[in-house]
Amino acid sequence: EAGVAQSPRYKIIEKRQSVAFWCNPISGHATLYWYQQILGQGPKLLIQFQNNGVVDDSQLPKDRFSAERLKGVDSTLKIQPAKLEDSAVYLCASSGQGHQPQHFGDGTRLSIL
Amino acid sequence: AQSVTQPDIHITVSEGASLELRCNYSYGATPYLFWYVQSPGQGLQLLLKYFSGDTLVQGIKGFEAEFKRSQSSFNLRKPSVHWSDAAEYFCAVGATSGTYKYIFGTGTRLKVLA
Repeated sequence: EAGVAQSPRYKIIEKRQSVAFWCNPISGHATLYWYQQILGQGPKLLIQFQNNGVVDDSQLPKDRFSAERLKGVDSTLKIQPAKLEDSAVYLCASSGQGHQPQHFGDGTRLSIL
Repeated sequence: AQSVTQPDIHITVSEGASLELRCNYSYGATPYLFWYVQSPGQGLQLLLKYFSGDTLVQGIKGFEAEFKRSQSSFNLRKPSVHWSDAAEYFCAVGATSGTYKYIFGTGTRLKVLA
């Protein structure tokens, strides 16, 4: 079974620029999550999709972050404009129906200069 | 609302020694509980999970964890640590309804001495 795929693995941009991350979940997983992991902290949920609908985006900074999952499969997370405090690893995870465990990709490490 | 506390930021053990990583949670009912491991530059890998039933849960790589409702704890153990176990370990509590949201602890970084 192929795992959760994320790209790019690394990204360096200057503040105020925009950036986008891509995630392809495990085949058949209806639920997709984007997490932000700041150095020295645990992952923090940004947004959760069930198929192509948003079920939780309470911690997504909507003035600069956006995410979509148009066909209920892969997803993109965008930051525009980026701030220094957005430097973090962005993790994508997916899970099957109900209370199935989440499976994580390797993440995208974002550095803001 | 659920929450997770991992009291130890760093732990150092010698190879071959036993290991226990602590995790305390807060949740209004019996939660779903998880331990994940993260090696440098990698995502999180699931070690084990507790949903219900037997309170002693076996996982991969020789790890086990015990759910203690009276102490609101879900500590991770391994009888003999290998150098390759050096990594960061995260405990997570999952809601048992609604969005099944996870809350992660801040992690414990394990160092293994040869």
